Amino acid sequence: DTEVTQTPKHLVMGMTNKKSLKCEQHMGHRAMYWYKQKAKKPPELMFVYSYEKLSINESVPSRFSPECPNSSLLNLHLHALQPEDSALYLCASSQVAGEPYEQFFGPGTRLTVL
Amino acid sequence: EDQVTQSPEALRLQEGESSSLNCSYTVSGLRGLFWYRQDPGKGPEFLFTLYSAGEEKEKERLKATLTKKESFLHITAPKPEDSATYLCAVRAGSSNTGKLIFGQGTTLQVKP
Repeated sequence: DTEVTQTPKHLVMGMTNKKSLKCEQHMGHRAMYWYKQKAKKPPELMFVYSYEKLSINESVPSRFSPECPNSSLLNLHLHALQPEDSALYLCASSQVAGEPYEQFFGPGTRLTVL
Repeated sequence: EDQVTQSPEALRLQEGESSSLNCSYTVSGLRGLFWYRQDPGKGPEFLFTLYSAGEEKEKERLKATLTKKESFLHITAPKPEDSATYLCAVRAGSSNTGKLIFGQGTTLQVKP
């Protein structure tokens, strides 16, 4: 099973709202990732968690707050977003971050900020 | 600077018309090259991992090859359901953080 699940599939929020994106994997992977993808562009790395600890923050604005409650779950908390934050948010996982294993992506959450 | 370039940007084929997609890379020590397929509005689907020059991987109508400077994704007798964006990504030797460097993708359209 190489499945990464994400909820919700679609999210519409106002600039003053607080919402969360959720990601789950049961492959025993110890590295999890958040990506942002704009139309006709490749995925852009936001955060990397390795063994439940944040190892990379690609200079992401503080209105995005990641959380890794356990080795299977990854959350992305959203607050005071801007319309330009509208995008497809992808979660991925791999066996470990330090070795070149393939990353498996979830289906994504389509976020629209009004 | 590590860089990945994919060509062509877009490709239109007739059903059954074989072709190849190119992924050129300049990285400081390749640790792995990955091919993904992405359908509109969905997450990338993993296809292949290649680690060293001369390596080849096959799956149905797709075959990926790797040299020291580039990788090819060969599509043999494509069908309309092969229409998608194909992404190439590399893992550089300078990174042990899991970071992938993506190309811009090739959008393939196969007409019946």
